[in-house]
Amino acid sequence: AQSVAQPEDQVNVAEGNPLTVKCTYSVSGNPYLFWYVQYPNRGLQFLLKYITGDNLVKGSYGFEAEFNKSQTSFHLKKPSALVSDSALYFCAAPRYNFNKFYFGSGTKLNVKP
Amino acid sequence: KAGVTQTPRYLIKTRGQQVTLSCSPISGHRSVSWYQQTPGQGLQFLFEYFSETQRNKGNFPGRFSGRQFSNSRSEMNVSTLELGDSALYLCASSLEGISGYEKLFFGSGTQLSVL
Repeated sequence: AQSVAQPEDQVNVAEGNPLTVKCTYSVSGNPYLFWYVQYPNRGLQFLLKYITGDNLVKGSYGFEAEFNKSQTSFHLKKPSALVSDSALYFCAAPRYNFNKFYFGSGTKLNVKP
Repeated sequence: KAGVTQTPRYLIKTRGQQVTLSCSPISGHRSVSWYQQTPGQGLQFLFEYFSETQRNKGNFPGRFSGRQFSNSRSEMNVSTLELGDSALYLCASSLEGISGYEKLFFGSGTQLSVL
């Protein structure tokens, strides 16, 4: 069974500081892992994905994620947070096939000026 | 290229009524999937369609149904509405949706309120 977990409901960070949004996974076989972001009153937008290869994945808007097989984690990171990064972030993994994705519970990121 | 379009944006219904939501995928995308988003349950998979065929279904009662047309546009229907059906319903499209490699493109959703 595929599942992902986001242990933090909310993350608060000051503008200009680095940010980390955590995700752990439980996936059989080679994991495919995704990060999406949701701004208020909008649908989800794709940020980045890990399929195979380099453990550090670079994505949109300066975000990157580090895949760690030994810790079964796929944490989202950004070196310097912006107020505009404030949003809801979801980690996701496809369950079986045909776009049946399992989403984490979401982490609300608050970036304060 | 136009994004995924969902209509209507907002809906208010009363218990027992039925509702139909519409989704137009990105041009060329043949896979359309639907998700329900609520504060308590998060994002839950409803179903996925490809070439007018439902390929996968989530754990929702039979009151939730959908279909896909030959132009890949999709509709979902909820009959005999219950208060718990109040949610944001999101539609997502992708090219083929087979391998799990593909990123999903989401619409802005339809916010359904059941009174």
